[in-house]
Amino acid sequence: DTAVSQTPKYLVTQMGNDKSIKCEQNLGHDTMYWYKQDSKKFLKIMFSYNNKELIINETVPNRFSPKSPDKAHLNLHINSLELGDSAVYFCASSPAGINYNEQFFGPGTRLTVL
Amino acid sequence: KNQVEQSPQSLIILEGKNCTLQCNYTVSPFSNLRWYKQDTGRGPVSLTIMTFSENTKSNGRYTATLDADTKQSSLHITASQLSDSASYICVVSAQGTYKYIFGTGTRLKVLA
Repeated sequence: DTAVSQTPKYLVTQMGNDKSIKCEQNLGHDTMYWYKQDSKKFLKIMFSYNNKELIINETVPNRFSPKSPDKAHLNLHINSLELGDSAVYFCASSPAGINYNEQFFGPGTRLTVL
Repeated sequence: KNQVEQSPQSLIILEGKNCTLQCNYTVSPFSNLRWYKQDTGRGPVSLTIMTFSENTKSNGRYTATLDADTKQSSLHITASQLSDSASYICVVSAQGTYKYIFGTGTRLKVLA
């Protein structure tokens, strides 16, 4: 009964490749997020979607493009991967509304760019 | 600038001992503050959430306090267990936004 699931869990790829990470939540939440956790373990928000609509788009290279086919899914596509993209990417979801809402995180996808 | 700072950066304690982790923030206008526990290789898991009007909240052996005037929060862990070894992250959100500002975390190691 995984609440927030991500695939793949590990992703190793060459520089310049294009890759996607998928996220699904079965909690009925309206809001989903993508975070990047760097080697210093600092979590930083990248994107947020509320009911399939983009509401947060932090300063992230255009090579990163989120796609939300429905409110239960938020996928992350990365073009022309660079060494600096190596990190753990976490998907999260929360109920509708913007205050006092708990976020539920997925298990993370460890991306290694060689 | 909205920031969240945590201290100490890392902490080692013996099993059974208590410890307190600190979080200072400059986020305004304040909405709520959360403490998360992140085990190695896993996603963060929520421990407590506090709004402006709440100054203490417990979750088992975890007790969080909030002083909205001084913009400080602490997480107290009682009778630590080996399974408490993890990173503890303080997260603050501002009113009217979907943004959550994450602290850099405190890495706690509990030794037998």
